[in-house]
Amino acid sequence: DQQVKQNSPSLSVQEGRISILNCDYTNSMFDYFLWYKKYPAEGPTFLISISSIKDKNEDGRFTVFLNKSAKHLSLHIVPSQPGDSAVYFCAAPNFGNEKLTFGTGTRLTIIP
Amino acid sequence: NAGVTQTPKFRILKIGQSMTLQCTQDMNHNYMYWYRQDPGMGLKLIYYSVGAGITDKGEVPNGYNVSRSTTEDFPLRLELAAPSQTSVYFCASNQQYSYNSPLHFGNGTRLTVT
Repeated sequence: DQQVKQNSPSLSVQEGRISILNCDYTNSMFDYFLWYKKYPAEGPTFLISISSIKDKNEDGRFTVFLNKSAKHLSLHIVPSQPGDSAVYFCAAPNFGNEKLTFGTGTRLTIIP
Repeated sequence: NAGVTQTPKFRILKIGQSMTLQCTQDMNHNYMYWYRQDPGMGLKLIYYSVGAGITDKGEVPNGYNVSRSTTEDFPLRLELAAPSQTSVYFCASNQQYSYNSPLHFGNGTRLTVT
């Protein structure tokens, strides 16, 4: 049972425009959500997180929105830059333990 | 500051061989994890540890073993390699279980079993 889902395996966006990456989840008990970014041949790196008590968190060009009623979160990147080309994973902790559940990832390509 | 260091970067094993994937971190983190990533899939948790001497199974532990004798090191052992273990393996660590303590990942070990 995939508790965290990223239904778009890939996304291409023009440089300077907005990139929107989506993530759906099934477990309403998740305490928080995280986004990780991964370049080829490197490990994932933490990008931004949001607590379940908030509906928005912003860090520079990156904003994450949480819609709890729809069990949906999205990552907005504005403006998109070539260095943003990477695979993005959303993740959430299983309730009551230390295990993070990851989505399958979305490959973002920024077109110059 | 090296962070999380994994060795080797690449390895090819024959079916039935064994090997140990090394992981060390220099951030004095209590929690350490092993994940595997298969093509088109998310990261799956193999084993994790909340401190020296304490380990526990993740989602996909079969075929693997771990130990945590020190805070810094968390090796992953494959005893009888199988083609299904062909994957990219990532070690990670964090200080505590909290959204303010995100995982720090190593750069991975790409393992092929033929």
